[in-house]
Amino acid sequence: ETGVTQTPRHLVMGMTNKKSLKCEQHLGHNAMYWYKQSAKKPLELMFVYSLEERVENNSVPSRFSPECPNSSHLFLHLHTLQPEDSALYLCASSQSGGAADTQYFGPGTRLTVL
Amino acid sequence: GQNIDQPTEMTATEGAIVQINCTYQTSGFNGLFWYQQHAGEAPTFLSYNVLDGLEEKGRFSSFLSRSKGYSYLLLKELQMKDSASYLCAVRDSNYQLIWGAGTKLIIKP
Repeated sequence: ETGVTQTPRHLVMGMTNKKSLKCEQHLGHNAMYWYKQSAKKPLELMFVYSLEERVENNSVPSRFSPECPNSSHLFLHLHTLQPEDSALYLCASSQSGGAADTQYFGPGTRLTVL
Repeated sequence: GQNIDQPTEMTATEGAIVQINCTYQTSGFNGLFWYQQHAGEAPTFLSYNVLDGLEEKGRFSSFLSRSKGYSYLLLKELQMKDSASYLCAVRDSNYQLIWGAGTKLIIKP
């Protein structure tokens, strides 16, 4: 069971397109995350929002722009992407400050940049 | 630098036992996580260890030795549905999760 949903599940876009990825969590958590997952590589943390404020930005290129309008929703706006940005983009949420602060993931958006 | 090491791929037989190792070098330690990820699906939480020792949860167990920077995930009575990637992650002193690249486990009949 997952309380984190992501849309779309698959996205193909050209390098000049603008698109957005959407994530919604139904777990009542107060922190949300964007990760990039490339084949045979560790998960790369892109952005963290805690209590709707961005607390992490790991040197992500400006062609990726996050937005967190409330604690349940998270967006990743994409523009002028490069082919090397093709990957699985995962959203996660957690209850920050909890004993384990376990992150729960959505199913991801498989992005292909042509 | 911070690093998590785990085998890239392992093969085991249905009904058998398999141990997936994870070694880590991180700036501080605030817990270790194991996740399971089936192809094309979300990583799902399996276990959390913060103290040394073995945590058992049904067919799955996870062990931690903080002094050795070492953990393993033990899967018993393997089933075909256990074919998946298993991700090890460590929370460092900044409470950031450092991830391994994952171990792809292939179960054969």
